[in-house]
Amino acid sequence: GQNIDQPTEMTATEGAIVQINCTYQTSGFNGLFWYQQHAGEAPTFLSYNVLDGLEEKGRFSSFLSRSKGYSYLLLKELQMKDSASYLCAVRDPGDSSYKLIFGSGTRLLVRP
Amino acid sequence: KAGVTQTPRYLIKTRGQQVTLSCSPISGHRSVSWYQQTPGQGLQFLFEYFSETQRNKGNFPGRFSGRQFSNSRSEMNVSTLELGDSALYLCASSQNRGDQETQYFGPGTRLLVL
Repeated sequence: GQNIDQPTEMTATEGAIVQINCTYQTSGFNGLFWYQQHAGEAPTFLSYNVLDGLEEKGRFSSFLSRSKGYSYLLLKELQMKDSASYLCAVRDPGDSSYKLIFGSGTRLLVRP
Repeated sequence: KAGVTQTPRYLIKTRGQQVTLSCSPISGHRSVSWYQQTPGQGLQFLFEYFSETQRNKGNFPGRFSGRQFSNSRSEMNVSTLELGDSALYLCASSQNRGDQETQYFGPGTRLLVL
């Protein structure tokens, strides 16, 4: 089976740094995605990791360790608008399709 | 480039009716996936189409079906609607370029079944 775990909620202060962790147990691995979703809106693509290491995109970075089944999303210089749910998703390794298996999401609250 | 578009954005139906939702992917993307999002179950995969062929299907009853046209636009259909089908239905458009894969979601169709 496939299992993806993320913390349910996190709180951080404006201007600070926050790290959102994601662990996965899947029968194989074919890439990991991070999405941001504001309440009432669709998920927005943040990052994709398929190789080990850190990918940086502005204030957002994503890290992957395939041997540990572990990823994190790092948000720097937090802004109030970063308050949202962050979804970790693993691409199903079973076939060539683009099926994603999502975690339940981490609700991040940024306080002034 | 225009993003993924979905129509309609909002829909209210009654139990037993059927509904058809439409998705137009980003130009050049040949894969379209459909997901259902509910507060209790989160985001769950429905099915994926690539070049008019269904490549994968999630664990949903046969009332949920879909298709893709030659221009990559996709539709999904839900027949005999149940109250539990109330959800946000999201379409994702995908492209793979070497080691960089992207999947972009449309704005979704919010379905309410009464």
